[in-house]
Formats: sequence, structure tokens, C-alpha cells
Amino acid sequence: NAGVTQTPKFQVLKTGQSMTLQCAQDMNHEYMSWYRQDPGMGLRLIHYSVGAGITDQGEVPNGYNVSRSTTEDFPLRLLSAAPSQTSVYFCASSYYDGGGETQYFGPGTRLLVL
Amino acid sequence: KQEVTQIPAALSVPEGENLVLNCSFTDSAIYNLQWFRQDPGKGLTSLLLIQSSQREQTSGRLNASLDKSSGRSTLYIAASQPGDSATYLCAVYFMGGSNYQLIWGAGTKLIIKP
Repeated sequence: NAGVTQTPKFQVLKTGQSMTLQCAQDMNHEYMSWYRQDPGMGLRLIHYSVGAGITDQGEVPNGYNVSRSTTEDFPLRLLSAAPSQTSVYFCASSYYDGGGETQYFGPGTRLLVL
Repeated sequence: KQEVTQIPAALSVPEGENLVLNCSFTDSAIYNLQWFRQDPGKGLTSLLLIQSSQREQTSGRLNASLDKSSGRSTLYIAASQPGDSATYLCAVYFMGGSNYQLIWGAGTKLIIKP
């Protein structure tokens, strides 16, 4: 299993540009999520999905869109990049076994918006 | 509102020492608490998960404890090694509003000096 993969690893955008961060998992997990990590702060949830065709907003959804057409893929779209979106983005997939979630993280995408 | 705090933000100790990392949370109605490790430029790896009904969990040289009444968890690392150098994050899984949420601390950056 490749686990959770993310592309690209690094990206530089200009203000106003749009782009899609890709995330894929091969563990057949129903639950997937996107986080951003900023210095001195914990991870903050952007959007999540509990299964194909179902998405919902997290703590900081503004400026981001997601879709979940398949169990495997959960892309994150930046509609019009802003410098405040400079961050490291992590995708995670998880399963629930009655004792809570066990999460698996991708390696992250480092995004710089100029 | 659930808040998760990790103090100190950074810690540097000589190799071989036993050490304790702290995590505190404001709402004791948690479902579980998890400790993660993050290596530079990489994603997060789950280390230990403690259910709300448990007091501690052990994995190798790692021992995590949970005291819900005081809103605290500790991660004990025995006989530290340079390979333990990483950022350690804790996250609590609790019911916030209508959904379960995972709330993260900002992490403790640990440096083990050879």
C-alpha cells in the first residue's frame, strides 16, 4: 500500500491564481480530510468527507473547495489564492473502529502565495 | 470551546535522559486522545491512542497517560535517542456541536543531543 499520497510537494502561486492539491489513498478509508498547518498553531481542519459524494466544512473552509467523486481521491481547490493561504497542507484518511479514528497522513504540500 | 495546549513549545535534552511531554485540554468530555510524531518535511505518524476510559497506553519506550478530570495527558519517552528528535503533537477527539472533531495542539519540538 502506498498509503496517502499528495501532489505536488511544493508550489508557488501568485495572488489570484487557482490550483488543485491532489490527495489519494489506497486503504479504502471512508473518511478523508484536509488540514493546514501554520507556525505556532495546531493543525486546522479545512474540509472533510465521510464518504464518496459527501463533503462538509471544517474550521477554516473559506477560499477552498473540495469534492469526493471516488473513495480514493479527495482534491482541494484554491479558488483565488491569497498570501494568507501560504501554509503546509496535509491530507489524511482514517477509519473508525468504535474506539475512535485512526488517521493516516500524507507527506504534505508546501504552498507559498506571493 | 475545546482548546489543546502543549508546553513547552521546544525542548532540548541530552541523549539517554527520560523525558515527559505535556498536553492539556479545556473540555474533559473527550472521546480519545492521540499522540503523533512529525518529522521535518514529512507528514504525521500516529504513536499512541488513549480511549477516554483508559489511563495509559504503552508502545516500546513510549508511555502515554490520560487524566480526564484534570484535562491533562503526558507522553513519557524513556532512554531518549537522537532518532527521537521530532515534533510531537497531541490531538483530542471530542463532540463539538453536531460532529466529532479532532482538535490539535501546536506541538512540542524535541531535540535529543548526542
